[in-house]
Amino acid sequence: QKEVEQDPGPLSVPEGAIVSLNCTYSNSAFQYFMWYRQYSRKGPELLMYTYSSGNKEDGRFTAQVDKSSKYISLFIRDSQPSDSATYLCAINNSGNTPLVFGKGTRLSVIA
Amino acid sequence: DVKVTQSSRYLVKRTGEKVFLECVQDMDHENMFWYRQDPGLGLRLIYFSYDVKMKEKGDIPEGYSVSREKKERFSLILESASTNQTSMYLCASGYTEQFFGPGTRLTVL
Repeated sequence: QKEVEQDPGPLSVPEGAIVSLNCTYSNSAFQYFMWYRQYSRKGPELLMYTYSSGNKEDGRFTAQVDKSSKYISLFIRDSQPSDSATYLCAINNSGNTPLVFGKGTRLSVIA
Repeated sequence: DVKVTQSSRYLVKRTGEKVFLECVQDMDHENMFWYRQDPGLGLRLIYFSYDVKMKEKGDIPEGYSVSREKKERFSLILESASTNQTSMYLCASGYTEQFFGPGTRLTVL
């Protein structure tokens, strides 16, 4: 079983839709959960960072962690064409271990 | 604002050439990382470093080496470039959160 699983998509939604992106993971020791956004031909940029379980909101973005189910989600409200990108989840269990990345979900928001 | 810079955005090299990719960060991070990214394979860790002159192998170190002489600078070296090393190379630095550079798209002919 891979450490982090993420549906690659592609996911195509109309402008204004609520988008749900998800990852599952296998190691219950993971404590730090991140979402990155990557535009085409650019480096990933950190979007959301969560420690342990719970929700975190930043504008139109909400990150959710359910450690009991080993499931993390990123919700995008009122999606915009500028949200079209690949979204990668990333997880680790301490600062001195490398991040484990999902393979990314490609999202297209159609105007 | 964290800044990670990479020496080149695009690079074209010939098979057998020695290739240097440089990465510089300005946030005094101890941890630095090199990844390659390929369609369908995601990000794969090549090497990382937790301190000056320290290096650890990642998942795919074969054909690569690294150098960390100064805290802010982490170099990736392709000793003898091959066509299967054509890829997007990404440098990152940070502790629990990692911050990425813009990437170097390397083509080996």
